[in-house]
Amino acid sequence: DTEVTQTPKHLVMGMTNKKSLKCEQHMGHRAMYWYKQKAKKPPELMFVYSYEKLSINESVPSRFSPECPNSSLLNLHLHALQPEDSALYLCASSQGGLAGNTGELFFGEGSRLTVL
Amino acid sequence: SQQGEEDPQALSIQEGENATMNCSYKTSINNLQWYRQNSGRGLVHLILIRSNEREKHSGRLRVTLDTSKKSSSLLITASRAADTASYFCATGEYYGNNRLAFGKGNQVVVIP
Repeated sequence: DTEVTQTPKHLVMGMTNKKSLKCEQHMGHRAMYWYKQKAKKPPELMFVYSYEKLSINESVPSRFSPECPNSSLLNLHLHALQPEDSALYLCASSQGGLAGNTGELFFGEGSRLTVL
Repeated sequence: SQQGEEDPQALSIQEGENATMNCSYKTSINNLQWYRQNSGRGLVHLILIRSNEREKHSGRLRVTLDTSKKSSSLLITASRAADTASYFCATGEYYGNNRLAFGKGNQVVVIP
């Protein structure tokens, strides 16, 4: 199984809503990532979990809250988002440690978020 | 954090032609990777080249790395319509946090 599964594929939420994005991998990877991607732009790193501990937070606003319940699961909790947060949110995993040192990232198909 | 910078940004070619994209970066790297993204989809890893390697091949892909010039190129030979996608280079930093930083990307359109 070489897949990273993200749910939901599409999400529309109001600025006062609370929602979550979910990501799952069963490749035994020990690093998991959240990236945000706006149209026609490169992915921007948000968070990295390494061995289930938050290792990188790229100064992301607190309305985005990551959670790594176990080595296979990664969540992104969303609360009081702004319309400018509308984007494709991509989850990725890598085999061990961080991808810069250990190799390729495996990406999910993304969750398309629209904030009204 | 550093980012690779691809050049050119958009490329339109006929099927069967070769496509070449370049990437430059600014700091020391551990490795450089190329990814493909079809419209609105996730990214797919294509090839990784380590800082002590100069050239690598994978099928129709050829990647070069010149650490003295801090640049890399991706060549796709005998392009196909299915190669139509955005291509991103990504650099793994050697010093400090090992983030994978993505460049701006190249939009490649292969005309059948």
